[in-house]
Amino acid sequence: AQSVAQPEDQVNVAEGNPLTVKCTYSVSGNPYLFWYVQYPNRGLQFLLKYITGDNLVKGSYGFEAEFNKSQTSFHLKKPSALVSDSALYFCAVRDRGNQGGKLIFGQGTELSVKP
Amino acid sequence: GAGVSQSPSNKVTEKGKDVELRCDPISGHTALYWYRQRLGQGLEFLIYFQGNSAPDKSGLPSDRFSAERTGESVSTLTIQRTQQEDSAVYLCASSPGASVAGETQYFGPGTRLLVL
Repeated sequence: AQSVAQPEDQVNVAEGNPLTVKCTYSVSGNPYLFWYVQYPNRGLQFLLKYITGDNLVKGSYGFEAEFNKSQTSFHLKKPSALVSDSALYFCAVRDRGNQGGKLIFGQGTELSVKP
Repeated sequence: GAGVSQSPSNKVTEKGKDVELRCDPISGHTALYWYRQRLGQGLEFLIYFQGNSAPDKSGLPSDRFSAERTGESVSTLTIQRTQQEDSAVYLCASSPGASVAGETQYFGPGTRLLVL
């Protein structure tokens, strides 16, 4: 069965420091991988996705993620965190064989950036 | 529309009552999804519509849950005889549905349902 794990419920970072939000997955074959962000009382906003090609994917608001096939990971990173980055982050996976199918989400990681 | 819209934004109901939640997808998007987000948890897939194909209902938790979609536009998620465990945020998403590799799903703001 497909699954996504976000091992940290919460990540605390000082403003200006680099941040990493971890994600690992368990699927058959090579999936499509996504990161979404959720601000309080709002829906999910798309950040970035990995389809194929370069393992380093760049997305919105200066975020990037690195696909590591051997470690089945897709960690989200940003070189310099902002207080406004504080939000709930979700990693998601979709079966590559299913062109329009459902997303499987991780449990989410609460990112807190302090001044 | 410019984005996915959902109504109502909040719904409080009594246990045993039926509720209807509405989703308006992005104009031109043929694929529509419903997800449920319980407090402090990730999103659970409920149902998926793609054009005129039979919907994927594999995520519906019980026969109290049903959903319809009118053509390639509005969708309604209905929960009959609501239970307290149905309390959650119900999120709708849409995507172009053109079988583009890894197409992105765009989410609405959600409907927060509270069953008393």
